[in-house]
Amino acid sequence: NAGVTQTPKFQVLKTGQSMTLQCAQDMNHEYMSWYRQDPGMGLRLIHYSVGAGITDQGEVPNGYNVSRSTTEDFPLRLLSAAPSQTSVYFCASSYNDRGGNEQFFGPGTRLTVL
Amino acid sequence: GDSVTQMEGPVTLSEEAFLTINCTYTATGYPSLFWYVQYPGEGLQLLLKATKADDKGSNKGFEATYRKETTSFHLEKGSVQVSDSAVYFCALSDLATDSWGKLQFGAGTQVVVTP
Repeated sequence: NAGVTQTPKFQVLKTGQSMTLQCAQDMNHEYMSWYRQDPGMGLRLIHYSVGAGITDQGEVPNGYNVSRSTTEDFPLRLLSAAPSQTSVYFCASSYNDRGGNEQFFGPGTRLTVL
Repeated sequence: GDSVTQMEGPVTLSEEAFLTINCTYTATGYPSLFWYVQYPGEGLQLLLKATKADDKGSNKGFEATYRKETTSFHLEKGSVQVSDSAVYFCALSDLATDSWGKLQFGAGTQVVVTP
């Protein structure tokens, strides 16, 4: 199993550009989520999905879109990049065992917006 | 709402020293509690967890006990190694507020172990 994979590992954008961060998992997990990690703030939830065709907003959704057309893939779209979106982005997936469910994280994408 | 507070870092230790990282939480229900570790340049991985009061999670020499009376889940290791240098995150999931168990993270504590 490859687990959770993310591409690209690094990306530099100019303000106003758009891009898609890719995330895929091969563990048949129902639950997938996107976080951003900023110094001193831990991980904050951007969007999540509880299954194909179902998505919802997390704590910091503004400026990001998601969709979940398959169980395996959960791309994150930046519509018009801003310097405030400079961060490290992590995708995660898990089963939903109704308590104590471990989330499996990808290696992250480091995004810089100039 | 639910929240997690953990001690600020960085925490700098010598090899073989005792490590404690404090973590306290507030939650509506009876959450599951986790410690995740992030090694340099990598994603997070689960270190240990506890799903009910008085449970003790343990892994790789690390331990944490779920203390409902003090709403705490402090992480301890008796003798750290240089390879334990990482950022440690305390987290909770509360099925009383979210049926899918979304994780709420603390800010993370960087631990640096020197030879």
